[in-house]
Amino acid sequence: AQSVTQLDSHVSVSEGTPVLLRCNYSSSYSPSLFWYVQHPNKGLQLLLKYTSAATLVKGINGFEAEFKKSETSFHLTKPSAHMRDAAEYFCVVRTDGGSQGNLIFGKGTKLSVKP
Amino acid sequence: KAGVTQTPRYLIKTRGQQVTLSCSPISGHRSVSWYQQTPGQGLQFLFEYFSETQRNKGNFPGRFSGRQFSNSRSEMNVSTLELGDSALYLCASSEGHLPQYFGPGTRLTVL
Repeated sequence: AQSVTQLDSHVSVSEGTPVLLRCNYSSSYSPSLFWYVQHPNKGLQLLLKYTSAATLVKGINGFEAEFKKSETSFHLTKPSAHMRDAAEYFCVVRTDGGSQGNLIFGKGTKLSVKP
Repeated sequence: KAGVTQTPRYLIKTRGQQVTLSCSPISGHRSVSWYQQTPGQGLQFLFEYFSETQRNKGNFPGRFSGRQFSNSRSEMNVSTLELGDSALYLCASSEGHLPQYFGPGTRLTVL
């Protein structure tokens, strides 16, 4: 069975410091992995995706994530947090070729950014 | 470009009633998918439509149904509402299989 675990429900950082949002997955097949972001009072938006090409994936707003098969992880990072990064982030795994039916969402990590 | 639009934003119904939610995707996007979001279960896939055809369906009872029109707008219907159907229902729009942009959601409360 496929699953995704976001290890922290809430992460708080100071503006200008690095961001690390952790995600581990479980899959019997080669997964596709994604991160979505949900800003307050706005809809979810695709941040970045990994689909078996380069293991280091760059997304919007300076975020990137690295697929590590040996660790079954897909952590989201950003070198320097900005106030506008405060939002909820969802790690998502998909385990077949194209069907949306096997998109499995993590429970989400709320990122707070202190001035 | 206008974003994904969902109407209504809030809805209160009683058990046994039925409800219809509407979603207008981003112009040019032919795929619309629906998700249910609850504090306990998180985000769960309901179904996906592409060019008026249901392409995939999640693990929800038959009380949950949907359709898509020729202009790509989609509706979701829930019949015989139960208390457990209280949730935020999200619609996502995309050009292909992967949902790119989500709407703000419809908050359904069943009393």
